[in-house]
Amino acid sequence: NAGVTQTPKFQVLKTGQSMTLQCAQDMNHEYMSWYRQDPGMGLRLIHYSVGAGITDQGEVPNGYNVSRSTTEDFPLRLLSAAPSQTSVYFCASSYYRSHYEQYFGPGTRLTVT
Amino acid sequence: AQSVTQLGSHVSVSEGALVLLRCNYSSSVPPYLFWYVQYPNQGLQLLLKYTTGATLVKGINGFEAEFKKSETSFHLTKPSAHMSDAAEYFCAVSEGYSTLTFGKGTMLLVSP
Repeated sequence: NAGVTQTPKFQVLKTGQSMTLQCAQDMNHEYMSWYRQDPGMGLRLIHYSVGAGITDQGEVPNGYNVSRSTTEDFPLRLLSAAPSQTSVYFCASSYYRSHYEQYFGPGTRLTVT
Repeated sequence: AQSVTQLGSHVSVSEGALVLLRCNYSSSVPPYLFWYVQYPNQGLQLLLKYTTGATLVKGINGFEAEFKKSETSFHLTKPSAHMSDAAEYFCAVSEGYSTLTFGKGTMLLVSP
């Protein structure tokens, strides 16, 4: 199993550009989430999904969009990038029997200039 | 709403000394509790977790944590620090939802 994979690893955007961060998991986990990590802030939840076709907002959802058409994939869309979205983004998956232990991807480091 | 407080953004110890990283949580229901470690420029790795049962939980790399309900704490300890333990450590809580709430992290610095 590859686990949770994320692409790209690094990305530089200009203010106003849009892009999609890709996330996929091959563990058949029902739950998937997106977190952002900023220095001194820990990890904060952006959006999450409890199954295909079901998504909800987390703590910091503004400026981001998600959809989940399959169990495996959970892309994160930046609609119009802003410098405040410079961060490291982690995708995670989990399942009920794991007591919601998060299995993390390697992260995407995004810089918005 | 659940929350996590990690006391000390940085903790410094000497190699061979006791490591103690503090975590307090608030939760309206019996929580699931986690400690994750992040090495520089890497993702997060699970150290240990508490779900139910024994309140002293052993994890990888010699770390352990004790769930104390009366103190709403889940402190992480290791008897003897190694240089390789230098990393950032995150405490997290789940109230039974599919996501975790994380603390702000504690950077562990280990000096020779």
